[in-house]
Amino acid sequence: AQTVTQSQPEMSVQEAETVTLSCTYDTSESDYYLFWYKQPPSRQMILVIRQEAYKQQNATENRFSVNFQKAAKSFSLKISDSQLGDAAMYFCAYRRLTSGSRLTFGEGTQLTVNP
Amino acid sequence: DTGVSQDPRHKITKRGQNVTFRCDPISEHNRLYWYRQTLGQGPEFLTYFQNEAQLEKSRLLSDRFSAERPKGSFSTLEIQRTEQGDSAMYLCASSLGGQGSEQYFGPGTRLTVT
Repeated sequence: AQTVTQSQPEMSVQEAETVTLSCTYDTSESDYYLFWYKQPPSRQMILVIRQEAYKQQNATENRFSVNFQKAAKSFSLKISDSQLGDAAMYFCAYRRLTSGSRLTFGEGTQLTVNP
Repeated sequence: DTGVSQDPRHKITKRGQNVTFRCDPISEHNRLYWYRQTLGQGPEFLTYFQNEAQLEKSRLLSDRFSAERPKGSFSTLEIQRTEQGDSAMYLCASSLGGQGSEQYFGPGTRLTVT
């Protein structure tokens, strides 16, 4: 079975600074998807960024980028130029390549952005 | 707004009562998922539909839980004889067919069992 681990329950960052959230996972499969989701307080979960394991290039979306280390099974999220609106719970998630597969989530990292 | 909607947003019930939640997916999405999220944890998969067929159920889905998607559109999740341990946020997500399709989440239904 696949597992996802986020070892940082809480992180904080100063506005305009950079922060990195860590995630490790375990799988026996060679191809899969990895995701970072953001869940603001009392609001719905939204996708921040995704990575296909068969792609060597790290995904980027504006201020958000990932460091995907396949051999180490590590998938960290870097948020540059942090904004107050980035404050949320962030979840790392894994999904098999097969259509319709479930998402397996980590425990989450609560990010606080200090003005 | 054409996103995933869930009703009700909050439900308080007494132990032993039955509750039913509804999820309306994005209209063209043929896949629908239910997850459960307890406080401070990540969501856990409960079940998955492709059109009206329930294709996968988690072992978390005990016999007190039942989900349906009768016409391949909206879905309902019923919990019978609720227990305090059922208190959680119940999330619904939907996606298109296709290997790389993203799951879009609804706002969730927060259940409190007293």
